[in-house]
Amino acid sequence: DGGITQSPKYLFRKEGQNVTLSCEQNLNHDAMYWYRQDPGQGLRLIYYSQIVNDFQKGDIAEGYSVSREKKESFPLTVTSAQKNPTAFYLCASSAPRTSEETQYFGPGTRLLVL
Amino acid sequence: QKEVEQNSGPLSVPEGAIASLNCTYSDRGSQSFFWYRQYSGKSPELIMFIYSNGDKEDGRFTAQLNKASQYVSLLIRDSQPSDSATYLCAVSGASGSRLTFGEGTQLTVNP
Repeated sequence: DGGITQSPKYLFRKEGQNVTLSCEQNLNHDAMYWYRQDPGQGLRLIYYSQIVNDFQKGDIAEGYSVSREKKESFPLTVTSAQKNPTAFYLCASSAPRTSEETQYFGPGTRLLVL
Repeated sequence: QKEVEQNSGPLSVPEGAIASLNCTYSDRGSQSFFWYRQYSGKSPELIMFIYSNGDKEDGRFTAQLNKASQYVSLLIRDSQPSDSATYLCAVSGASGSRLTFGEGTQLTVNP
């Protein structure tokens, strides 16, 4: 059963703490993405990766970091430098070097600050 | 000017009516256009994508693209209460895979 999984569903962060959000896909997609969504807003791109061991900053990368050591996995770390991390975080994947560029989304992680 | 703009909403239509959702974009080199539906508290799910000028139909949904006017729309025929959701327009740039999303239009279909 192919798809994208994100964990945890809910995550609580204390002041000064780094937290890591997990994203795994078994769709054999090359490209993976992280978005942030604030209430009533669209999606804003944090980071994306088109191939293993390579990634690029999106529009709002400050306070976040990523790694792409495996094709299937693209974890996002929300660092203590991100002062307003409360949001809905969405991971997506796509197969960009084909005619099918559609991005498919995981179920999301909701991050809350204690 | 925002890169991708959607009609602000919220939009309310009676059951059985046609709902019309609109989106304009600023990058003339944009190649691919997507409509996603997002239920409250859930992640976006793809409804349709369109690459070429004209209409593309899939069941009750029709996407319309006019690249000269930099305009893409989604029509939902015979609207159902289950269509009540936020609809997100997304546009890929000339360089490929990055998508830029609009802020979404909230649609309510009243029984």
